[in-house]
Amino acid sequence: GESVGLHLPTLSVQEGDNSIINCAYSNSASDYFIWYKQESGKGPQFIIDIRSNMDKRQGQRVTVLLNKTVKHLSLQIAATQPGDSAVYFCAETLPNTGNQFYFGTGTSLTVIP
Amino acid sequence: KAGVTQTPRYLIKTRGQQVTLSCSPISGHRSVSWYQQTPGQGLQFLFEYFSETQRNKGNFPGRFSGRQFSNSRSEMNVSTLELGDSALYLCASRSEMNTEAFFGQGTRLTVV
Repeated sequence: GESVGLHLPTLSVQEGDNSIINCAYSNSASDYFIWYKQESGKGPQFIIDIRSNMDKRQGQRVTVLLNKTVKHLSLQIAATQPGDSAVYFCAETLPNTGNQFYFGTGTSLTVIP
Repeated sequence: KAGVTQTPRYLIKTRGQQVTLSCSPISGHRSVSWYQQTPGQGLQFLFEYFSETQRNKGNFPGRFSGRQFSNSRSEMNVSTLELGDSALYLCASRSEMNTEAFFGQGTRLTVV
C-alpha cells in the first residue's frame, strides 16, 4: 500500500502563532492531496486540497504547499486559535482510484492559550 | 444540506458475532467509501461503492463486506468479529464531479 508519513506526531504552538504541519508521500504518481482535521469524537473534516499540477493553494487562514521534487506536503495555519487544536491528516490519491485516499498517521496539534 | 449520517454511533459486540453498519451519504452523492480507523494503523481504506457497484477494495479479509442501495445508502458488514476489529468505522461520500470526500461521525465498534 501507499506510505504517507508525517514528520512529527505532536505539535504545540502558542495561540496567535503560525503552525506548520508536514507530510511526506512516497508515490510520485499521486495526483491529488487533501488535508483533514479531526477533532475528538468526530469524523475528519475537509480543510483544503491541492492537485499535483499546483505548488500552492490558499484558503481562509490555511495554505497548502506541495513540493513534488521531494514529495513533501505542508499545511500552514496562520494565527492559530484554540479551536485549531485537533489531529491533522494528509491524504493522497492516485489517478483512477476513485475515492480511495491513503492517509498519513496524523499530527496532533495543541494550541496553548 | 444534511451531512453524512452513520448509524449506530456506538456498538458493542462479542467475538464471533457479526455486525452491520449503515451510512447515508449527502443527498446527490453516489460514491460512498468506508474506512477503518485505529490508533495503531490510522485510517485504512476498506472499499468504495459507486452506483451500487464496488469500485475499489482495500486489503481487508473477506469478513469485511459491503453493499450500496439504489438510493446510495450503504451498509458494511463484518462477520465473525475479532477483538482486532474494534475501531472507528468512517463512511465518506463524494459527488461524482468532486474529489473532496465528506466524512460522517463514524461508528465506534467495540468487540469484547
